[in-house]
Amino acid sequence: DVKVTQSSRYLVKRTGEKVFLECVQDMDHENMFWYRQDPGLGLRLIYFSYDVKMKEKGDIPEGYSVSREKKERFSLILESASTNQTSMYLCASREGNEQFFGPGTRLTVL
Amino acid sequence: AQRVTQPEKLLSVFKGAPVELKCNYSYSGSPELFWYVQYSRQRLQLLLRHISRESIKGFTADLNKGETSFHLKKPFAQEEDSAMYYCALHTGGFKTIFGAGTRLFVKA
Repeated sequence: DVKVTQSSRYLVKRTGEKVFLECVQDMDHENMFWYRQDPGLGLRLIYFSYDVKMKEKGDIPEGYSVSREKKERFSLILESASTNQTSMYLCASREGNEQFFGPGTRLTVL
Repeated sequence: AQRVTQPEKLLSVFKGAPVELKCNYSYSGSPELFWYVQYSRQRLQLLLRHISRESIKGFTADLNKGETSFHLKKPFAQEEDSAMYYCALHTGGFKTIFGAGTRLFVKA
């Protein structure tokens, strides 16, 4: 059973803070993804990684960066958090074409 | 452009009534389509994919390439079907494109 875990369920940060969201998967998947989930907009891809140290921008990468130092861990970084980054963040890993999602981190930026 | 459209943000039906969640896609190649579901306080998970042609929890979805649709259907809705449903399109490569989602509410 694939397990994708995210470091926090809820996070409250202040504008300008640097924010780290961590994601770990235990099934040795090569591909990992970060999405944000907003009402009426669905899931939008921020970044993805297809191997250790390899990353590609998704559809909305502005204001974000990522890190993949180990195969099982994929981190999303908000360099300077802004209020428009308040959202639900979902991490996923992929086997074949099926995605396995983490529980999500609800980030509020004040 | 590759796109997935779910025209209904909210769908409300009575228990026992048929339900159809609409999904249309835009893609010139051979698509692979999925339905994902998110129940309250649970993680997003795969419900079904068109390749397997299976029925999960009574739901079915048929790919209609002529109409570029992949509507999700269930003949008799149950209260436990209340959830957020996302249609998704995989076009090859790494990316999967998700629709905006439809919230299904099944009333007792």
